[in-house]
Amino acid sequence: DAKTTQPNSMESNEEEPVHLPCNHSTISGTDYIHWYRQLPSQGPEYVIHGLTSNVNNRMASLAIAEDRKSSTLILHRATLRDAAVYYCTHKTGNQFYFGTGTSLTVIP
Amino acid sequence: KAGVTQTPRYLIKTRGQQVTLSCSPISGHRSVSWYQQTPGQGLQFLFEYFSETQRNKGNFPGRFSGRQFSNSRSEMNVSTLELGDSALYLCASRSGTGVSYEQYFGPGTRLTVT
Repeated sequence: DAKTTQPNSMESNEEEPVHLPCNHSTISGTDYIHWYRQLPSQGPEYVIHGLTSNVNNRMASLAIAEDRKSSTLILHRATLRDAAVYYCTHKTGNQFYFGTGTSLTVIP
Repeated sequence: KAGVTQTPRYLIKTRGQQVTLSCSPISGHRSVSWYQQTPGQGLQFLFEYFSETQRNKGNFPGRFSGRQFSNSRSEMNVSTLELGDSALYLCASRSGTGVSYEQYFGPGTRLTVT
């Protein structure tokens, strides 16, 4: 079974950068790494995805390790609206695997 | 463009009964996936349908089944409900089945089995 692990929780001060790590040790060479976030009482929301090189979009940046066994989601300036549970995920074979999720608290 | 919709939003059933949940994907999306979310196990993949065919399946017992209609709407069914089936059931849609994709999730159906 694929193993995707994340820290249970992290804190950040408002307007400071946040680095959310994920270890996906059993990912294969062609599996994209995806990140989603989930607010209370809502379904997960797409954040970003990538394969090998670093990726940027309006929400965040994704840094992928050279061996692809880990990745880091970067929120450049955390806001109160970024408080959520963040999940890394990938599809390997015919299965979608989600990490355990990191609950991000943003401190005003 | 309307998002993914799921009905009903909340459901209470008794052990041994069966239940059917419905999902309407984003217009134009032909792939629908289902997930179970519980505090203990997190998000777990159930199955994925594309063009009315089951493409992928997670590690769940045969009591969990699904189908997709020609308009891409999907239903999942759980028979002989057990207490452990209490969970948030999430549906997600995407436009294709390629390896680079964005999934769009619905708000989920909260199932409580008593």
